[in-house]
Amino acid sequence: NAGVTQTPKFQVLKTGQSMTLQCAQDMNHNSMYWYRQDPGMGLRLIYYSASEGTTDKGEVPNGYNVSRLNKREFSLRLESAAPSQTSVYFCASSEPRGAGYNEQFFGPGTRLTVL
Amino acid sequence: AQSVSQHNHHVILSEAASLELGCNYSYGGTVNLFWYVQYPGQHLQLLLKYFSGDPLVKGIKGFEAEFIKSKFSFNLRKPSVQWSDTAEYFCAVNARGATNKLIFGTGTLLAVQP
Repeated sequence: NAGVTQTPKFQVLKTGQSMTLQCAQDMNHNSMYWYRQDPGMGLRLIYYSASEGTTDKGEVPNGYNVSRLNKREFSLRLESAAPSQTSVYFCASSEPRGAGYNEQFFGPGTRLTVL
Repeated sequence: AQSVSQHNHHVILSEAASLELGCNYSYGGTVNLFWYVQYPGQHLQLLLKYFSGDPLVKGIKGFEAEFIKSKFSFNLRKPSVQWSDTAEYFCAVNARGATNKLIFGTGTLLAVQP
């Protein structure tokens, strides 16, 4: 079991360039998430997908788009990168159960720098 | 709206010292509570979780946390820290009956000096 995998691990972009961050999970989880982690701000939810075929905005969705390609894969796209999007991006997955049980499993992260 | 506060942003301890990291949340309903740990250069890993039952929860590596409902708190403790506990610690809350989103605190960076 690889758990949650992310590609690439590192990326440097110039302002205005676009790119897609890939995430896949092999735990058969229904829900998937994209977070960004910035110093002193913890993890902030960008977008999430409660189940295949659905996506919803999180706390900081501006400048991003997502695609839930299938149950395993959830990609994050930056259409026109800005320096403010320099961050570490984490993908996570979970299988919510009754009473709001929602333990999330995280990928190794993508460190993105926008110049 | 839900929020999570971690008041200790940076903690420095010597090995064998006791640890307590504070976590308070704001939500009036029933919650599930988590502590995650992020070792240097690694991804987040679950340390422990509380859903119901005994408010004193034991996790991996000798960590424990106590849920005090009246104080809206879920503080993390360890009686004797080791150098290998150097990491960033995040408290997270999930409100039951709401969406399946986790709300994270801003994190506490723990440095343990040998």
